[in-house]
Amino acid sequence: DGGITQSPKYLFRKEGQNVTLSCEQNLNHDAMYWYRQDPGQGLRLIYYSQIVNDFQKGDIAEGYSVSREKKESFPLTVTSAQKNPTAFYLCASSIRGQGTSYEQYFGPGTRLTVT
Amino acid sequence: GQNIDQPTEMTATEGAIVQINCTYQTSGFNGLFWYQQHAGEAPTFLSYNVLDGLEEKGRFSSFLSRSKGYSYLLLKELQMKDSASYLCAVNTDKLIFGTGTRLQVFP
Repeated sequence: DGGITQSPKYLFRKEGQNVTLSCEQNLNHDAMYWYRQDPGQGLRLIYYSQIVNDFQKGDIAEGYSVSREKKESFPLTVTSAQKNPTAFYLCASSIRGQGTSYEQYFGPGTRLTVT
Repeated sequence: GQNIDQPTEMTATEGAIVQINCTYQTSGFNGLFWYQQHAGEAPTFLSYNVLDGLEEKGRFSSFLSRSKGYSYLLLKELQMKDSASYLCAVNTDKLIFGTGTRLQVFP
């Protein structure tokens, strides 16, 4: 069964700690994305990658970092520099990158709470 | 600037028809997506409009007018399971999402 997995579904961290959210896809998609969703706001793009070993900042990249060492994997690290890290994080992938007509497939999301 | 507007909330009755509107002002336009998102879950793809007109897919239809910067999602024969948020997203050189419309369907 092809799809996108994110783990864990819920994550709790203390302020000042870095935390890494995992995202894996077995759809053989070139492009992968990280979004953040807050109540009353649309999905906001954090980072995206159109190909292995390459990634670009989205609209709200400050305080986040990513890597794309393998086509299947696009982990997101929320660093202590992110001022408001508590949110619902969604990973997505598409056959080709942004601006194309290919729909994005979303993972189930990770709800991160930082106290 | 980039701006996408959708109503925040809508309510409807089981079996009825509901229309969710989306207006947009963006620099660039390649198409418009509609996604459905149940609370706490991943968005799932509903439709993609590139050209003007109505596209029908079962109980769901989506309409686009590029000259007016306007789209709507039409849901017919509403069911309780249609209670969800509906996200409009404009495809420019990236995907820009609206804030979503939360639809509640009552018996």
